[in-house]
Amino acid sequence: EPEVTQTPSHQVTQMGQEVILRCVPISNHLYFYWYRQILGQKVEFLVSFYNNEISEKSEIFDDQFSVERPDGSNFTLKIRSTKLEDSAMYFCASSYYNEQFFGPGTRLTVL
Amino acid sequence: QQQVKQSPQSLIVQKGGISIINCAYENTAFDYFPWYQQFPGKGPALLIAIRPDVSEKKEGRFTISFNKSAKQFSLHIMDSQPGDSATYFCAASMGGSQGNLIFGKGTKLSVKP
Repeated sequence: EPEVTQTPSHQVTQMGQEVILRCVPISNHLYFYWYRQILGQKVEFLVSFYNNEISEKSEIFDDQFSVERPDGSNFTLKIRSTKLEDSAMYFCASSYYNEQFFGPGTRLTVL
Repeated sequence: QQQVKQSPQSLIVQKGGISIINCAYENTAFDYFPWYQQFPGKGPALLIAIRPDVSEKKEGRFTISFNKSAKQFSLHIMDSQPGDSATYFCAASMGGSQGNLIFGKGTKLSVKP
């Protein structure tokens, strides 16, 4: 069964450093998303991406965040200058015209 | 108005019992209401979803009841099993299944053998 994959599973970084979280969506999917979940809290929408551009973003997704689909298979989330409060589990999701399938997540720890 | 309120925060049910989790929303523009199941260390997985033109949807042991006038929907798990122990999130979207999902805070369900 096809699935969304994410790498790395755990990323530790120093405050102020740039990180790139990578996702490989399901191959025929057209809609791509990033969500995050701070430990013990609800899942929050960050951004959606369709037809090679951002279709919607939340207020969390400020200028420090960017997304890219560099090669038609990967979907990346970049955080330019990480803050302590960016520590969370980041989930990538993809969709065709139906449900959103979530990846296993990348745990980002900012020290 | 963008919130989805979920209760209870945690739930303990005996094996074979019925688990009931409730959610409420304010925004009448929401048009898609999924329930996600999440096991520790895993991403959320879609369990069942409903659209507001239907009052109930059943898939196996899982049923969504939807009350449009009250702006509430609930998940019922019949014959609860220890393997159902997980965190359950309700969500809502304004763009159908492709729209960004607004999640509730989650309910941690424990099913005791």
